[in-house]
Amino acid sequence: GAVVSQHPSRVICKSGTSVKIECRSLDFQATTMFWYRQFPKQSLMLMATSNEGSKATYEQGVEKDKFLINHASLTLSTLTVTSAHPEDSSFYICSARTGGAEGANVLTFGAGSRLTVL
Amino acid sequence: AQTVTQSQPEMSVQEAETVTLSCTYDTSESDYYLFWYKQPPSRQMILVIRQEAYKQQNATENRFSVNFQKAAKSFSLKISDSQLGDAAMYFCAYRSGETSGSRLTFGEGTQLTVNP
Repeated sequence: GAVVSQHPSRVICKSGTSVKIECRSLDFQATTMFWYRQFPKQSLMLMATSNEGSKATYEQGVEKDKFLINHASLTLSTLTVTSAHPEDSSFYICSARTGGAEGANVLTFGAGSRLTVL
Repeated sequence: AQTVTQSQPEMSVQEAETVTLSCTYDTSESDYYLFWYKQPPSRQMILVIRQEAYKQQNATENRFSVNFQKAAKSFSLKISDSQLGDAAMYFCAYRSGETSGSRLTFGEGTQLTVNP
Protein backbone atom coordinates (compact mmCIF):
# COMPACT_ATOMS: atom_id res chain seq x y z
CA GLY A 1 0.00 0.00 0.00
CA ALA A 2 0.85 3.67 -0.12
CA VAL A 3 3.54 4.78 2.31
CA VAL A 4 4.32 8.26 3.54
CA SER A 5 7.67 8.77 5.21
CA GLN A 6 8.16 11.63 7.62
CA HIS A 7 11.53 12.74 8.94
CA PRO A 8 12.76 13.41 11.54
CA SER A 9 10.54 11.57 13.98
CA ARG A 10 11.89 13.61 16.87
CA VAL A 11 13.75 16.88 16.94
CA ILE A 12 14.89 19.13 19.74
CA CYS A 13 16.05 22.63 18.98
CA LYS A 14 16.90 25.84 20.73
CA SER A 15 14.55 28.77 20.76
CA GLY A 16 15.13 31.05 17.78
CA THR A 17 16.40 28.38 15.43
CA SER A 18 14.59 26.90 12.43
CA VAL A 19 13.62 23.30 11.95
CA LYS A 20 12.71 21.49 8.73
CA ILE A 21 10.43 18.46 8.60
CA GLU A 22 10.22 16.37 5.46
CA CYS A 23 7.27 14.40 4.17
CA ARG A 24 7.84 11.97 1.31
CA SER A 25 5.48 9.77 -0.62
CA LEU A 26 7.53 6.64 -1.21
CA ASP A 27 5.66 4.72 -3.87
CA PHE A 28 3.25 7.19 -5.35
CA GLN A 29 3.09 10.75 -6.54
CA ALA A 30 1.31 13.21 -4.30
CA THR A 31 0.18 16.45 -5.87
CA THR A 32 -1.42 17.43 -2.60
CA MET A 33 -0.13 16.97 0.91
CA PHE A 34 -1.57 18.16 4.18
CA TRP A 35 0.17 19.30 7.35
CA TYR A 36 -1.50 18.81 10.70
CA ARG A 37 -0.56 19.80 14.21
CA GLN A 38 -1.54 17.79 17.26
CA PHE A 39 -1.21 18.82 20.88
CA PRO A 40 -1.15 16.14 23.60
CA LYS A 41 -4.44 14.34 24.03
CA GLN A 42 -6.06 16.54 21.40
CA SER A 43 -7.24 16.15 17.85
CA LEU A 44 -5.43 16.92 14.64
CA MET A 45 -5.72 20.47 13.42
CA LEU A 46 -5.10 21.18 9.76
CA MET A 47 -2.41 23.79 9.31
CA ALA A 48 -2.06 23.98 5.57
CA THR A 49 -2.55 22.27 2.25
CA SER A 50 0.61 21.83 0.24
CA ASN A 51 0.25 21.81 -3.54
CA GLU A 52 3.05 20.72 -5.83
CA GLY A 53 4.37 23.60 -7.88
CA SER A 54 2.27 26.28 -6.24
CA LYS A 55 1.91 28.11 -2.97
CA ALA A 56 0.49 26.35 0.04
CA THR A 57 -2.96 27.21 1.31
CA TYR A 58 -2.91 28.04 5.00
CA GLU A 59 -5.75 27.66 7.45
CA GLN A 60 -7.04 30.67 9.27
CA GLY A 61 -4.82 31.60 12.18
CA VAL A 62 -1.73 29.82 10.89
CA GLU A 63 1.19 32.14 10.26
CA LYS A 64 2.55 31.46 6.80
CA ASP A 65 5.80 33.22 7.57
CA LYS A 66 6.22 31.08 10.66
CA PHE A 67 5.43 27.76 9.05
CA LEU A 68 7.01 27.70 5.61
CA ILE A 69 5.80 24.96 3.32
CA ASN A 70 7.52 23.91 0.12
CA HIS A 71 6.23 21.25 -2.24
CA ALA A 72 8.86 21.28 -4.94
CA SER A 73 8.31 17.78 -6.29
CA LEU A 74 5.55 15.24 -6.58
CA THR A 75 7.02 13.19 -3.77
CA LEU A 76 8.30 15.73 -1.26
CA SER A 77 6.79 18.44 0.88
CA THR A 78 8.68 20.21 3.62
CA LEU A 79 7.51 22.18 6.64
CA THR A 80 9.98 24.63 8.12
CA VAL A 81 9.25 26.09 11.52
CA THR A 82 11.11 29.37 11.51
CA SER A 83 12.44 31.10 14.63
CA ALA A 84 10.96 28.37 16.76
CA HIS A 85 9.69 29.13 20.24
CA PRO A 86 8.61 26.81 23.05
CA GLU A 87 4.96 27.28 22.12
CA ASP A 88 5.73 25.71 18.75
CA SER A 89 6.52 22.46 20.51
CA SER A 90 4.02 19.95 19.20
CA PHE A 91 3.47 16.85 17.13
CA TYR A 92 3.36 17.56 13.42
CA ILE A 93 1.82 15.06 11.02
CA CYS A 94 1.75 15.10 7.24
CA SER A 95 -0.59 13.22 4.97
CA ALA A 96 -0.84 12.70 1.26
CA ARG A 97 -3.64 11.93 -1.11
CA THR A 98 -2.88 8.80 -3.03
CA GLY A 99 -4.67 10.05 -6.12
CA GLY A 100 -6.71 8.28 -8.76
CA ALA A 101 -10.43 7.86 -8.99
CA GLU A 102 -10.75 5.60 -6.01
CA GLY A 103 -7.58 6.63 -4.24
CA ALA A 104 -8.50 10.26 -4.41
CA ASN A 105 -10.59 9.76 -1.34
CA VAL A 106 -7.88 8.15 0.74
CA LEU A 107 -5.28 9.93 2.78
CA THR A 108 -2.15 8.19 3.99
CA PHE A 109 -0.42 9.63 7.03
CA GLY A 110 3.21 9.90 7.97
CA ALA A 111 4.34 8.71 11.40
CA GLY A 112 4.63 12.25 12.66
CA SER A 113 7.41 14.46 13.99
CA ARG A 114 7.67 15.52 17.60
CA LEU A 115 9.21 18.97 17.90
CA THR A 116 10.52 20.19 21.22
CA VAL A 117 11.77 23.75 21.44
CA LEU A 118 13.89 24.53 24.46
CA ALA B 1 -18.11 24.78 7.90
CA GLN B 2 -18.33 21.14 8.73
CA THR B 3 -17.90 20.00 12.31
CA VAL B 4 -17.34 16.56 13.79
CA THR B 5 -18.22 15.76 17.39
CA GLN B 6 -17.17 12.79 19.47
CA SER B 7 -18.96 13.00 22.79
CA GLN B 8 -17.02 10.21 24.50
CA PRO B 9 -13.52 11.32 25.53
CA GLU B 10 -12.83 7.87 26.99
CA MET B 11 -14.30 4.42 26.65
CA SER B 12 -13.30 1.04 27.99
CA VAL B 13 -14.19 -2.49 27.02
CA GLN B 14 -13.36 -5.96 28.19
CA GLU B 15 -11.34 -8.10 25.86
CA ALA B 16 -13.57 -10.11 23.50
CA GLU B 17 -16.54 -7.81 24.16
CA THR B 18 -18.14 -5.28 21.84
CA VAL B 19 -17.89 -1.52 22.11
CA THR B 20 -19.48 1.30 20.14
CA LEU B 21 -17.87 4.70 19.66
CA SER B 22 -20.13 7.62 18.81
CA CYS B 23 -19.66 10.34 16.25
CA THR B 24 -21.96 13.04 14.95
CA TYR B 25 -21.26 15.61 12.29
CA ASP B 26 -22.78 18.70 10.86
CA THR B 27 -22.80 19.53 7.17
CA SER B 28 -24.98 21.05 4.51
CA GLU B 29 -23.44 18.92 1.79
CA SER B 30 -25.03 15.82 0.36
CA ASP B 31 -21.85 14.27 -1.03
CA TYR B 32 -19.16 13.46 1.49
CA TYR B 33 -17.08 10.72 3.06
CA LEU B 34 -16.72 9.65 6.65
CA PHE B 35 -13.77 7.87 8.22
CA TRP B 36 -12.63 6.32 11.43
CA TYR B 37 -8.91 6.53 12.12
CA LYS B 38 -7.01 4.80 14.88
CA GLN B 39 -3.99 6.38 16.55
CA PRO B 40 -2.12 3.92 18.78
CA PRO B 41 0.63 5.02 21.19
CA SER B 42 3.05 5.09 18.25
CA ARG B 43 1.01 8.11 17.01
CA GLN B 44 0.76 6.62 13.51
CA MET B 45 -2.67 7.35 12.06
CA ILE B 46 -4.25 4.20 10.68
CA LEU B 47 -7.40 4.11 8.58
CA VAL B 48 -9.91 1.75 10.16
CA ILE B 49 -12.95 2.13 7.95
CA ARG B 50 -14.61 4.57 5.59
CA GLN B 51 -18.11 5.24 4.40
CA GLU B 52 -19.33 7.02 1.30
CA ALA B 53 -22.41 9.09 2.08
CA TYR B 54 -24.17 8.01 -1.11
CA LYS B 55 -24.02 4.37 -0.03
CA GLN B 56 -26.85 3.21 2.18
CA GLN B 57 -25.12 0.03 3.18
CA ASN B 58 -23.01 0.29 6.29
CA ALA B 59 -19.31 -0.34 5.76
CA THR B 60 -17.70 -3.36 7.38
CA GLU B 61 -14.06 -4.33 7.78
CA ASN B 62 -13.64 -7.60 9.67
CA ARG B 63 -14.38 -6.82 13.33
CA PHE B 64 -15.10 -3.17 12.60
CA SER B 65 -18.44 -1.93 11.35
CA VAL B 66 -20.26 1.36 11.25
CA ASN B 67 -23.81 2.47 11.81
CA PHE B 68 -24.29 5.30 9.35
CA GLN B 69 -27.47 7.30 9.89
CA LYS B 70 -27.38 10.01 7.25
CA ALA B 71 -30.55 11.80 8.29
CA ALA B 72 -29.39 11.94 11.88
CA LYS B 73 -25.82 12.76 10.80
CA SER B 74 -24.51 10.01 12.97
CA PHE B 75 -21.59 7.70 12.24
CA SER B 76 -20.78 5.27 15.05
CA LEU B 77 -18.06 2.63 15.06
CA LYS B 78 -18.65 -0.83 16.47
CA ILE B 79 -15.69 -2.97 17.41
CA SER B 80 -16.57 -6.61 17.94
CA ASP B 81 -14.47 -9.17 19.78
CA SER B 82 -12.23 -6.41 21.11
CA GLN B 83 -8.55 -7.19 21.28
CA LEU B 84 -5.77 -5.66 23.35
CA GLY B 85 -4.30 -4.25 20.17
CA ASP B 86 -7.44 -2.21 19.60
CA ALA B 87 -6.48 0.08 22.45
CA ALA B 88 -5.86 3.47 20.90
CA MET B 89 -7.27 6.92 20.29
CA TYR B 90 -10.01 6.77 17.70
CA PHE B 91 -10.84 9.75 15.53
CA CYS B 92 -13.92 10.23 13.42
CA ALA B 93 -13.29 12.34 10.33
CA TYR B 94 -15.26 14.06 7.59
CA ARG B 95 -14.24 14.82 4.05
CA SER B 96 -16.18 16.82 1.52
CA GLY B 97 -17.14 15.10 -1.70
CA GLU B 98 -15.69 17.91 -3.78
CA THR B 99 -12.81 16.70 -5.87
CA SER B 100 -10.85 19.89 -5.36
CA GLY B 101 -9.41 18.75 -2.06
CA SER B 102 -9.10 15.91 0.40
CA ARG B 103 -8.84 17.81 3.64
CA LEU B 104 -10.16 15.97 6.64
CA THR B 105 -11.98 17.48 9.58
CA PHE B 106 -11.42 15.43 12.72
CA GLY B 107 -13.45 14.97 15.85
CA GLU B 108 -11.91 15.38 19.29
CA GLY B 109 -11.13 11.70 19.61
CA THR B 110 -12.12 8.86 21.92
CA GLN B 111 -9.49 7.07 23.97
CA LEU B 112 -10.32 3.37 23.99
CA THR B 113 -8.95 1.12 26.71
CA VAL B 114 -9.21 -2.64 26.36
CA ASN B 115 -9.11 -4.50 29.65
CA PRO B 116 -7.78 -8.08 29.74
